[in-house]
Amino acid sequence: KAGVTQTPRYLIKTRGQQVTLSCSPISGHRSVSWYQQTPGQGLQFLFEYFSETQRNKGNFPGRFSGRQFSNSRSEMNVSTLELGDSALYLCASSLNGDSYNSPLHFGNGTRLTVT
Amino acid sequence: GESVGLHLPTLSVQEGDNSIINCAYSNSASDYFIWYKQESGKGPQFIIDIRSNMDKRQGQRVTVLLNKTVKHLSLQIAATQPGDSAVYFCAENYGPGSARQLTFGSGTQLTVLP
Repeated sequence: KAGVTQTPRYLIKTRGQQVTLSCSPISGHRSVSWYQQTPGQGLQFLFEYFSETQRNKGNFPGRFSGRQFSNSRSEMNVSTLELGDSALYLCASSLNGDSYNSPLHFGNGTRLTVT
Repeated sequence: GESVGLHLPTLSVQEGDNSIINCAYSNSASDYFIWYKQESGKGPQFIIDIRSNMDKRQGQRVTVLLNKTVKHLSLQIAATQPGDSAVYFCAENYGPGSARQLTFGSGTQLTVLP
């Protein structure tokens, strides 16, 4: 069974631009979560989607948004990029978001560098 | 908000020895805990989990201990191997019903010495 796939692996953008990251969950998984990982802040929760609906959101500004498609694939978008948005963005999927029965499985992330 | 923290940022052990990685959590409402391993250039990999109604759970070469009294979690790795070198994160899980999210600790870098 293929794991969580994130594309692209690396991105370089300039301040003010916007970026879209893509995530394909494990087949059959309906919940997709996004996390930001930086050396200073560690792993921080961005949001979680289930059946095309955002169920939970972390403490990030509105420049960070996401969506989920009917095939459970998900995208996240960051608008008006800032230098501080440079990070590894991780996508994780689970069967239904209920961690008791389905732990999160992470992809290898997209490394975003903002210059 | 409350957060999960780790006692030691780095840990070096000899190959073959046992490793113990510690984690303190602060949210008494957390009822599910997970350990992840992250190797360089990869995403976190699930190792083992434990629910709050348990105090010990064993996997292959790994054991997780949970002490709810002092809000402490530990990961024990038996006969540590070079492939165990990685950053280890504990994470706590809480939230109503399906709206769960993970809060991660800051991570411990485990280095296995030859």
